Amino acid sequence: KQEVTQIPAALSVPEGENLVLNCSFTDSAIYNLQWFRQDPGKGLTSLLLIQSSQREQTSGRLNASLDKSSGRSTLYIAASQPGDSATYLCAVNFGNEKLTFGTGTRLTIIP
Amino acid sequence: NAGVTQTPKFRILKIGQSMTLQCTQDMNHNYMYWYRQDPGMGLKLIYYSVGAGITDKGEVPNGYNVSRSTTEDFPLRLELAAPSQTSVYFCASSYSDGTSGTIYFGEGSWLTVV
Repeated sequence: KQEVTQIPAALSVPEGENLVLNCSFTDSAIYNLQWFRQDPGKGLTSLLLIQSSQREQTSGRLNASLDKSSGRSTLYIAASQPGDSATYLCAVNFGNEKLTFGTGTRLTIIP
Repeated sequence: NAGVTQTPKFRILKIGQSMTLQCTQDMNHNYMYWYRQDPGMGLKLIYYSVGAGITDKGEVPNGYNVSRSTTEDFPLRLELAAPSQTSVYFCASSYSDGTSGTIYFGEGSWLTVV
């Protein structure tokens, strides 16, 4: 079964620190992987999309990496800010026209 | 700059009632999706559509129906509401099947069945 796992479920980090969020998936034959941000009571906002042929993508303070052979992706956030507090979800396209989502990591940046 | 618009945002239903969640997008996207999100869980795909007149079941379709008569609209129908359908529902759209394009989400519809 194709599954996506995110551990830990929650993470608290002091402001200013760099941090890494993890995502693992069970099938290495993926089309792409996306990281989303979800604020309380809101929908999902796409942060970064990595195609299967890519190793990483960067947007501002965010850097996402992809290692298909090990079934892992990481989202690196540099110089964290209180405004980064949100739930971060990873979603994988296994090539079947649908995204499979992880359960998310709830991130709290402590001022 | 509307993007994906869902209505209503909140709704309380009694067991056995029916209702329709509306979703419309103004980006001329071919693909549209309905997901549900339960507390502490990831999003589960209910139904999706690859274009007007074409719909298909996702992971958790039971108790729901959809239609896609236009490119813009993708309503989700709940027949005979049950407490297990208490959830947050998200509509989404993308230009392609997600292999190369970004997927855009609505802000969600909170549904409680009592």
